[in-house]
Amino acid sequence: QVQLQESGPGLVKPLQTLSLTCSVSGDSINSGGYYWSWIRQPPGKGLEWIGYIDSLGSAYYTPSLRSRVIISIDTSKDHFSLNLTSVTAADTAVYYCARYDFWNLRLDYWGQGSLVTVSS
Amino acid sequence: EMVLTQSPGTLSLSPGERASLSCRASQSVASKFLAWYQQRPGQAPRLLLYGASNRATGIPERFSGSGSGTDFTLTISRLAPEDFAVYYCQQYGSSLLTFGGGTKVEMK
Repeated sequence: QVQLQESGPGLVKPLQTLSLTCSVSGDSINSGGYYWSWIRQPPGKGLEWIGYIDSLGSAYYTPSLRSRVIISIDTSKDHFSLNLTSVTAADTAVYYCARYDFWNLRLDYWGQGSLVTVSS
Repeated sequence: EMVLTQSPGTLSLSPGERASLSCRASQSVASKFLAWYQQRPGQAPRLLLYGASNRATGIPERFSGSGSGTDFTLTISRLAPEDFAVYYCQQYGSSLLTFGGGTKVEMK
């Protein structure tokens, strides 16, 4: 059973960088055919896909965040990370990591989510 | 840029009733690229259907999906108490993912 777990600070100051890590267990992050994804959900709102990365480091981002986001992967540690720069209150959200199965075209495993609040 | 519009925003129904949720795409989507998720309060989303109509592992048969092109539907044949939740459609296209705004199914 694949499990994903987000970790990182729950509070970030405005204009600083939000950094989260997703640890993967139950399967190697090096397994082919998967994209390791970040999705966020502002309080009371819907889901927004941020981006994903494959095991070779090829990353894709949603256009609206592309200038501020970097997703990286460390296959030796079975984890991948999100960095979002110059944050504002609008970046306050629950951040989920998830696995996108490229063979079946679905987000099949999700982490429990991590609330990040942007406030001074 | 692809936009997925879900309707209605909120559906008020009673247990045992049938629910039909719509997901309309701004451009044609191949069925294999369309998935549906359920999110209960305080929980992470859960995969329901992929390829527009294939149930994920452990998903009850009362959940079904249909549609093609720009119009897709999620149907819950008889609502169980645990089905009152928010539902999202999601598509893959041009290496990017997009979610719809969600439909909340609430108890009447």
